[in-house]
Amino acid sequence: AQTVTQSQPEMSVQEAETVTLSCTYDTSESDYYLFWYKQPPSRQMILVIRQEAYKQQNATENRFSVNFQKAAKSFSLKISDSQLGDAAMYFCASKTFTSGTYKYIFGTGTRLKVLA
Amino acid sequence: DGGITQSPKYLFRKEGQNVTLSCEQNLNHDAMYWYRQDPGQGLRLIYYSQIVNDFQKGDIAEGYSVSREKKESFPLTVTSAQKNPTAFYLCASSTQGQIPNQPQHFGDGTRLSIL
Repeated sequence: AQTVTQSQPEMSVQEAETVTLSCTYDTSESDYYLFWYKQPPSRQMILVIRQEAYKQQNATENRFSVNFQKAAKSFSLKISDSQLGDAAMYFCASKTFTSGTYKYIFGTGTRLKVLA
Repeated sequence: DGGITQSPKYLFRKEGQNVTLSCEQNLNHDAMYWYRQDPGQGLRLIYYSQIVNDFQKGDIAEGYSVSREKKESFPLTVTSAQKNPTAFYLCASSTQGQIPNQPQHFGDGTRLSIL
């Protein structure tokens, strides 16, 4: 079975500091995609960053970057220069093509608190 | 701008009552999804549809029903058989492989509560 695991229910970071959110996944597929979503108190799901499994280079979007370790099936999110607006739930998700359809699996989320 | 519209934002259900949550998208996406979100449990898939007039059960379909009569619309009915319907419901859509690295797009959600 395909799974996505986020082992940190809650994390805290001081404003302007760096924090890393962990995510591990399990899939038997060779072709897949990984995503991090942000869900602020408004509950809107916002795409933060994506990574194609066939790419060795880690994805980067401004202050957000990932550490993609394919062999270890790890996909952590690093937030640099944390801002108060980064406070939210963060979900890791995988997208795989299985049995003729794309299947999405979400982790249980990590709540990030940013301390002023 | 293209997007997904869910309505209503808040919904209250009486015991024994069916309620329907609306989801409309103008992104021209083939696939649509319904998720239920409870605290500490992430997103759980209720139903999904890859094409008009076709849909499949997800992981927690019991007590729910859907229809897909139009590409743009994928309403979810929470029936009286769903004994614990209080949750936040998210609708999503996606392409079907034309651009494989595209993520799902989400609506703003509907909060359903029991009266």
